[in-house]
Amino acid sequence: DQQVKQNSPSLSVQEGRISILNCDYTNSMFDYFLWYKKYPAEGPTFLISISSIKDKNEDGRFTVFLNKSAKHLSLHIVPSQPGDSAVYFCAASGASGTYKYIFGTGTRLKVLA
Amino acid sequence: AAGVIQSPRHLIKEKRETATLKCYPIPRHDTVYWYQQGPGQDPQFLISFYEKMQSDKGSIPDRFSAQQFSDYHSELNMSSLELGDSALYFCASSPRLAESSTDTQYFGPGTRLTVL
Repeated sequence: DQQVKQNSPSLSVQEGRISILNCDYTNSMFDYFLWYKKYPAEGPTFLISISSIKDKNEDGRFTVFLNKSAKHLSLHIVPSQPGDSAVYFCAASGASGTYKYIFGTGTRLKVLA
Repeated sequence: AAGVIQSPRHLIKEKRETATLKCYPIPRHDTVYWYQQGPGQDPQFLISFYEKMQSDKGSIPDRFSAQQFSDYHSELNMSSLELGDSALYFCASSPRLAESSTDTQYFGPGTRLTVL
């Protein structure tokens, strides 16, 4: 049972435009959410996180939005750059008092120059 | 800045052999997590350690064991390897476990294990 889902396996965006990556979760006990970026042959790189007590967190070109009632979070990248092309994973933690991450299935973002 | 170090980066083994993967956390991080990512899959949590004690256990086969040592590095021991064990194995570290679930985990580059 996939508790964290990313329904779009891939996304193509023109350079300079906004990239929006979506993530849905089923467990209402999750209280911390993160986005990681992953290049081939490298480990996931932390991008941005949000606690369940917030609905928005911003860091430079990256903004994460959390809608707890909908159990949905999204990552906005503005403006998108070719170097942003990678696989993006959302992750959730905090359910049942544990800190392990439950990852989504990933979205491959391609930013076209 | 120092990152999580994993060794080896690549490992090729035959079926029924054993393998040991090592993880060196970021300095002053006392919590280590192991994840397995199969081809085309999302990373799956295996096991974690805090202050040398197992803190959580996920979908880790009985053929696998792990421990954390006094210098906080961790080793994942895998025995009776099967073809299905071929995957990327990531280690992550975080500064502390007990205080909050909001301590970000920082991942190493992974070890790619291929079982022939």
